[in-house]
Amino acid sequence: DQQVKQNSPSLSVQEGRISILNCDYTNSMFDYFLWYKKYPAEGPTFLISISSIKDKNEDGRFTVFLNKSAKHLSLHIVPSQPGDSAVYFCAATSGTYKYIFGTGTRLKVLA
Amino acid sequence: KAGVTQTPRYLIKTRGQQVTLSCSPISGHRSVSWYQQTPGQGLQFLFEYFSETQRNKGNFPGRFSGRQFSNSRSEMNVSTLELGDSALYLCASRSSGRTKESQYFGPGTRLLVL
Repeated sequence: DQQVKQNSPSLSVQEGRISILNCDYTNSMFDYFLWYKKYPAEGPTFLISISSIKDKNEDGRFTVFLNKSAKHLSLHIVPSQPGDSAVYFCAATSGTYKYIFGTGTRLKVLA
Repeated sequence: KAGVTQTPRYLIKTRGQQVTLSCSPISGHRSVSWYQQTPGQGLQFLFEYFSETQRNKGNFPGRFSGRQFSNSRSEMNVSTLELGDSALYLCASRSSGRTKESQYFGPGTRLLVL
């Protein structure tokens, strides 16, 4: 049972435009969500997180939105840059501190 | 501060063999988690160790085991290897293990089972 789902395996966006990556979850106990970026031959690196008490968190070009009623979160990257091309994973956790990851979305930013 | 290190980086084994992977967390970090990454499956949680005790476990067979030492270094062992165990194995560390902080990942060990 995949508790965290990223239904788009890939996404292509023009440089300078907005990239929107989506993530859905099923477990209502999740109360903290994170996004990671992964380049080939490297481990994932942390991008941004959000607690369930918020519905938005911004950090520079990256904004994460959380819709608890829909059990949906999204990552917005504005403006997109070629260096943003990577695989993006969303993850969720609860009081157990066990992190559940999605299957990833490969973002390609076209110059 | 040095990052999370994993050894070896690449490994080729044959079916039926066993393998041990090693992870050194960031200095001061006491929580180490292990993940398996395969195409189409994302990062699948294996287990987490905190202060030498396994605190969380994923849905993997008993062939997958781990341990953590007093210096927080961790090892993961897979016995009786199967072709489907070919994957990138990632470990991640975080400091206290009591807060929902981000984890820091190592570069991974790529295991190929022939």
